[in-house]
Amino acid sequence: EMVVTQSPATLSVSPGERATLSCRASLSVSTNLAWYQQKPGQAPRLLISGASTRATGIPARFSGSGSGTEFTLTINSLQSADSAVYYCQQYNSWPLTFGGGTKVEIK
Amino acid sequence: EAQLVESGGGLVQPGESLRLSCAASGFTFSSYAMSWVRQAPGKGPEWVSTIHGGGGGTAYADSVKGRFTISRDNSKNTVYLQMNNLRVEDTATYYCAQRSTFSGGSFDYWGQGTLVTVSS
Repeated sequence: EMVVTQSPATLSVSPGERATLSCRASLSVSTNLAWYQQKPGQAPRLLISGASTRATGIPARFSGSGSGTEFTLTINSLQSADSAVYYCQQYNSWPLTFGGGTKVEIK
Repeated sequence: EAQLVESGGGLVQPGESLRLSCAASGFTFSSYAMSWVRQAPGKGPEWVSTIHGGGGGTAYADSVKGRFTISRDNSKNTVYLQMNNLRVEDTATYYCAQRSTFSGGSFDYWGQGTLVTVSS
């Protein structure tokens, strides 16, 4: 089973600053990786697919990069509304697997 | 825009069964694979199962294989998850999610979820 590991577990960032989240896959997933945002009491929401393609309606402040086993989600000009847990997920092979999440807190 | 509405969750005892439903609208249902993803309290999401748009192919997580069955009725724009022999560890919020194809793609749209609690 493909293991997906996220770091850090928690990230505390000031408004207006940049947040950098990491995701690592145990084997290459090419660019078959997605990022989701989840706020308390809500379903996850797709932010990025194909490692770097923003989903419909996602602000340009959110950007994804990487391929193979190393991926990054960058949130520029952090806003209070960005406080959430962020998950990465690989869809290169079955079973489809998620990382453990990074909680982004606003200072 | 796609809308997904789950129903059928509830409190059951270990060993019992439950059937979840997910009603879809806003897109051509039969053109998309559909999945179930669950999330235990305080944990990350876990993929459970996926079914092909035409219903001809299915995939399951090892943790539910042999106990859960995914199906769909394209005439009703609905996907189902039949859950048998439920265990305490199946307690979670169950989400249905749209996926572009059976064997590829992210979970593009999610429902609001339905809570399943397995407890004696």
